[in-house]
Amino acid sequence: QVQLVESGGGLVKPGGSLRLSCAASGFTFSDYYMSWIRQAPGKGLEWVSYISSSGSTIYYADSVKGRFTISRDNAKNSLYLQMNSLRAEDTAVYYCARGSVVLCFDLWGRGTLVTVSS
Amino acid sequence: QSALTQPASVSGSPGQSITISCTGTSSDVGSYNLVSWYQQHPGKAPKLMIYEVSKRPSGVSNRFSGSKSGNTASLTISGLQAEDEADYYCCSYAGSSTWVFGTGTKVTVL
Repeated sequence: QVQLVESGGGLVKPGGSLRLSCAASGFTFSDYYMSWIRQAPGKGLEWVSYISSSGSTIYYADSVKGRFTISRDNAKNSLYLQMNSLRAEDTAVYYCARGSVVLCFDLWGRGTLVTVSS
Repeated sequence: QSALTQPASVSGSPGQSITISCTGTSSDVGSYNLVSWYQQHPGKAPKLMIYEVSKRPSGVSNRFSGSKSGNTASLTISGLQAEDEADYYCCSYAGSSTWVFGTGTKVTVL
C-alpha cells in the first residue's frame, strides 16, 4: 500500500552523527518532492528540509543549515537525512513527508525518534 | 522563520462548532493561498485535513472547513465529535520551497 517508513533513529551524543532513511512504497517516488519534518517531545511540528523530485533542488531550515544533508535515491525509492554536529535541541521525532502539487504534505510516515544526549 | 501563532487550546461540547486561528505574516499566510491544516492524535503521524486554505482531501469529513483573511487563516470544525479530540497544526508555504508550521492547538471535546 501507499506508505512511508522511516528508520535510523536512536540515541547519539552531542556532536555526533546519524543517518535517517525513509522507504517509500505504493506510489511513483520519483514523481514527488519530499521533506523531513520534526517534532520535539511535547512540541509542535517544524519543517526541516526539502528536496525536489529529481534531487537537484534542496532547501533547509536555518536551524539545521550546514549540519544536515538531505538526499534521495529514486532507484531505491528512498529518502535520507544525514545529521552531523547534533545538538540536544535536535532531539525529536523525525517524519518524512510526501509533497503535494498544491504545496502541502499529503502522506506522512510514522516517524523515527532521535535523542541527542550525553 | 517564526512559527505561525495558534491558540494553545480550544474546547467545545459535542455537536458544537469551534474555530482555530492561525496568524502569520505578509511573508507566509498573507502571501500565499497555500495554507494547510493537519490533525494529529497522540502518538500518531499528522494527517492532512485541509489544503489550499479551504479544500478537503478525499475522505475528510465536510465538518472540517478552512478560510483565510489577510495574515490569518482559520479552521472550523462543526458538529464536534469525540474523535475530533486531537492536536491541530496549520502550515503555510513561505516561498522558495520552505514551509512554516503553527504552534499547534489542542482540541478538547467536553
